Amino acid sequence: GESVGLHLPTLSVQEGDNSIINCAYSNSASDYFIWYKQESGKGPQFIIDIRSNMDKRQGQRVTVLLNKTVKHLSLQIAATQPGDSAVYFCAERGGTSYGKLTFGQGTILTVHP
Amino acid sequence: GAGVSQSPSNKVTEKGKDVELRCDPISGHTALYWYRQSLGQGLEFLIYFQGNSAPDKSGLPSDRFSAERTGGSVSTLTIQRTQQEDSAVYLCASSLNRGPGTEAFFGQGTRLTVV
Repeated sequence: GESVGLHLPTLSVQEGDNSIINCAYSNSASDYFIWYKQESGKGPQFIIDIRSNMDKRQGQRVTVLLNKTVKHLSLQIAATQPGDSAVYFCAERGGTSYGKLTFGQGTILTVHP
Repeated sequence: GAGVSQSPSNKVTEKGKDVELRCDPISGHTALYWYRQSLGQGLEFLIYFQGNSAPDKSGLPSDRFSAERTGGSVSTLTIQRTQQEDSAVYLCASSLNRGPGTEAFFGQGTRLTVV
């Protein structure tokens, strides 16, 4: 079936380094993608989104890259801080169920001071 | 309200009992979603409401699960004859509409423990 998955389940970085979290998706009809951050005991929090007619979008310290050719999404976090430690999920919307968000399994990011 | 509100925040129930989980979406949001998250896992889609359209129930794992949304606002997820495998965090989210470019805002979730 259609799914969204992540290459790396865990990622450990040093404070100040740049982090890259990857996501592969299989639904070529998806037209909207979102990255969420989830801290322990909390619901997912929106970080950044991108539509399928774009290949890059920048926010504050975060950049999302979309490669539709290979169905790959990545989240780049610049100058990673301890407060960035969390689980990061990519999600996609579109295809046969227009409104449904499908989530990947998640990547645990740990930032060491 | 200011955000998506879920209640209760924690629920412990005995196997075989029924439970109801409540979600108050952000005012004016027409789309509402329920997801389930087991420990250390991703979000499993359960059901999706959009305005007055028929809900997308494709993610409900069995007929013990049902959900309704009254008046286009508050939603209740009901689990009948709970089983231990139903233990998880149940997350509700809402968004302004269903189109691309509309992010979903999540509540804090209800942690359900079936003993």
